[in-house]
Amino acid sequence: NAGVTQTPKFRVLKTGQSMTLLCAQDMNHEYMYWYRQDPGMGLRLIHYSVGEGTTAKGEVPDGYNVSRLKKQNFLLGLESAAPSQTSVYFCASSYFLGGEQYFGPGTRLTVT
Amino acid sequence: QQQVKQSPQSLIVQKGGIPIINCAYENTAFDYFPWYQQFPGKGPALLIAIRPDVSEKKEGRFTISFNKSAKQFSLHIMDSQPGDSATYFCAAKASNAGNNRKLIWGLGTSLAVNP
Repeated sequence: NAGVTQTPKFRVLKTGQSMTLLCAQDMNHEYMYWYRQDPGMGLRLIHYSVGEGTTAKGEVPDGYNVSRLKKQNFLLGLESAAPSQTSVYFCASSYFLGGEQYFGPGTRLTVT
Repeated sequence: QQQVKQSPQSLIVQKGGIPIINCAYENTAFDYFPWYQQFPGKGPALLIAIRPDVSEKKEGRFTISFNKSAKQFSLHIMDSQPGDSATYFCAAKASNAGNNRKLIWGLGTSLAVNP
């Protein structure tokens, strides 16, 4: 039982490049979330999903897209990376909305 | 607008001390208040949670105190140890808000426990 896994762990992008972060969970959770964590700003919700095939905007969705084609996977895409997207990205999942969230180990992204 | 206000931003205590982290909220519909613990390089993990029908909950050395009238809740760590050094997040949720039943997070408190 791996819980929540994220790939990659680290990535450096140049401004304008694109990339996809992959999150996978093996707990059969309906709900999945993408957060970014920046110093002094806590955890900010980017997008979330309430089930396979659904996505919804969080508080900081601009510049990101997501997809939930399979229940166990939640992808976060950056189409044209900007230095302001330098952050640590966390994926989480939960059995029900607002319930205990299980977090992945994070992806540290640097955009130069 | 920050719906859950957490303080202090950082805290340093000596081993054996009792660090206290405070959170305040405005939304009276909130009815679930968890605390998450995050070690460096890791994702947050649920530490302890409380509902407003009790004023205190203890799990090991960790205690949540809840003051419904003041709309405040706090985390106390008894006999703190260097291994408790981490970032602590409070959060809140309203159960009756449909798809808005998301966790609302505080900004976090970085705790350092010196040996």
